[in-house]
Amino acid sequence: KAGVTQTPRYLIKTRGQQVTLSCSPISGHRSVSWYQQTPGQGLQFLFEYFSETQRNKGNFPGRFSGRQFSNSRSEMNVSTLELGDSALYLCASSSPGTATDTQYFGPGTRLTVL
Amino acid sequence: AQSVAQPEDQVNVAEGNPLTVKCTYSVSGNPYLFWYVQYPNRGLQFLLKYITGDNLVKGSYGFEAEFNKSQTSFHLKKPSALVSDSALYFCAVRALTTDSWGKFQFGAGTQVVVTP
Repeated sequence: KAGVTQTPRYLIKTRGQQVTLSCSPISGHRSVSWYQQTPGQGLQFLFEYFSETQRNKGNFPGRFSGRQFSNSRSEMNVSTLELGDSALYLCASSSPGTATDTQYFGPGTRLTVL
Repeated sequence: AQSVAQPEDQVNVAEGNPLTVKCTYSVSGNPYLFWYVQYPNRGLQFLLKYITGDNLVKGSYGFEAEFNKSQTSFHLKKPSALVSDSALYFCAVRALTTDSWGKFQFGAGTQVVVTP
């Protein structure tokens, strides 16, 4: 089975721009979660989508948004980028509510905001 | 609300010695507990999980973890550490209720350093 894939792997943007990150889950997984990882704040939960609906949400400003498509692929958008948005963005897929529920992570997208 | 605590920022151990990484949790509902490992500039890799059943769970690369309900702990252990075990380790919990599930809650991470 193919793992979780994320594109692009690296991005460089400037302040004020917006960015869209993409995540393709493991086949059969209907849940996709997004995380922001920085050296200072650790692993921070952004949101979780299941069957195209946002199920859980972290404490991030409205500049961070996401969506999920009918094939379970997900995108995350960050508008009006700030320097503090520089981070590794991780996507994970799972089958929640089942005995096999385990989040599997993609390699991440490294976003640098200049 | 659910939470996960990893009380040690870093654990130092000599190669060949036992390794323990501590994790305690707080959750309403039944907990699903997980351990992940992260190598530099990589995503998190799943090591093992506890859902139900035997309190001692065995996982990848010789790691195991023991679920202790009374102490709400899920410590990760390895009998003999290798230099290649040096990495960042995360504990996580997801609460399940009868009709729903909560988000994955991750601990702050513990850096493991194994010296030759």
